[in-house]
Amino acid sequence: DTAVSQTPKYLVTQMGNDKSIKCEQNLGHDTMYWYKQDSKKFLKIMFSYNNKELIINETVPNRFSPKSPDKAHLNLHINSLELGDSAVYFCASSQRTGHETQYFGPGTRLLVL
Amino acid sequence: SQKIEQNSEALNIQEGKTATLTCNYTNYSPAYLQWYRQDPGRGPVFLLLIRENEKEKRKERLKVTFDTTLKQSLFHITASQPADSATYLCALGLDYKLSFGAGTTVTVRA
Repeated sequence: DTAVSQTPKYLVTQMGNDKSIKCEQNLGHDTMYWYKQDSKKFLKIMFSYNNKELIINETVPNRFSPKSPDKAHLNLHINSLELGDSAVYFCASSQRTGHETQYFGPGTRLLVL
Repeated sequence: SQKIEQNSEALNIQEGKTATLTCNYTNYSPAYLQWYRQDPGRGPVFLLLIRENEKEKRKERLKVTFDTTLKQSLFHITASQPADSATYLCALGLDYKLSFGAGTTVTVRA
């Protein structure tokens, strides 16, 4: 009965590779998010989708491309991985855009070698 | 530029005491402020929300205050327990986005 789930939990890959992280929520929420938490523990918003529509796109390299096939799923594809992409990526959801409480997934720990 | 600062990276306290965490912000006018708890290797978990027109909110042993003049929120854990040991993040809500501080790691000693 996991509310927000992410796969994989760990991802170790070489520079230059392309990888994807998947997120699913079973809360019936309309809005989903991707955050990046770096080594200094700052959690920064990357993208937000509301019912499959992109509503927030922070200053993120265009190597990062989110995709929302339906409102319960939000995937993140990263092209040409760089060392600086190493971080923990969290998916989150909220009932609707502007609804304050966000529910976070367990995170995907990405290490680029 | 906008900045969110949480008072210290780490706070060590004795069980039973009150832990007080500070969140200061500049160049923001948030509509609300939230506190989240994050355990090692896990995602943040929502604890409390306080709106700009509210001064104080309580939930069990947790209390949050919000002073928009000082641009500061205080987060209190009363009668602290070792199970309260975690990192606590403040987050400011504005324009459908949450902006997080770096967090304060609280360790409660038995």
